[in-house]
Amino acid sequence: NAGVTQTPKFRILKIGQSMTLQCTQDMNHNYMYWYRQDPGMGLKLIYYSVGAGITDKGEVPNGYNVSRSTTEDFPLRLELAAPSQTSVYFCASSYADRAYNEQFFGPGTRLTVL
Amino acid sequence: GQQLNQSPQSMFIQEGEDVSMNCTSSSIFNTWLWYKQDPGEGPVLLIALYKAGELTSNGRLTAQFGITRKDSFLNISASIPSDVGIYFCAGQSFYNNNDMRFGAGTRLTVKP
Repeated sequence: NAGVTQTPKFRILKIGQSMTLQCTQDMNHNYMYWYRQDPGMGLKLIYYSVGAGITDKGEVPNGYNVSRSTTEDFPLRLELAAPSQTSVYFCASSYADRAYNEQFFGPGTRLTVL
Repeated sequence: GQQLNQSPQSMFIQEGEDVSMNCTSSSIFNTWLWYKQDPGEGPVLLIALYKAGELTSNGRLTAQFGITRKDSFLNISASIPSDVGIYFCAGQSFYNNNDMRFGAGTRLTVKP
């Protein structure tokens, strides 16, 4: 199993541009998550999904959109990139309803908005 | 909000020394977890704690879930160079298992 894969690894955007961060997992997990990690900070939850067709906002959803059309894929969309969205983005997945809901993380996408 | 305060921010220790770090919050959590992040990688789960008062070990790592549900600590004994990295505590919301809050991390440096 490849686990959780993310593309691209790095990206530089200009203010106002849009892009989609891709996330795929091959563990048949039904829960998937998007986090951002700012320098020297912990991860903050942007959006999550409990299954195909179901998504919900996390702690910091503004400026982002998600969709979940399949179990495997959970893309994150930035419509109008802003400098405040410069961060490292992590996708994660887990099984549902386990006592501790262990999340498996991808390697991250480093995004810079100039 | 459900913010986690993690300390210390960074530690510089000699190989062989023991390490202790902790997290506190003003809110209660259902579960406490400890992750390690290596440079350029995503976090990897080290220890998960499900019950208040629980003490759990994983090799040289020991973690405890505070009785009040508002704190947790992680100890690393006899540190080795590969322990270098950033350690994060995380708490799962009492009301929503999918709402996980992370501390800001403890950056550990181990000198040989």
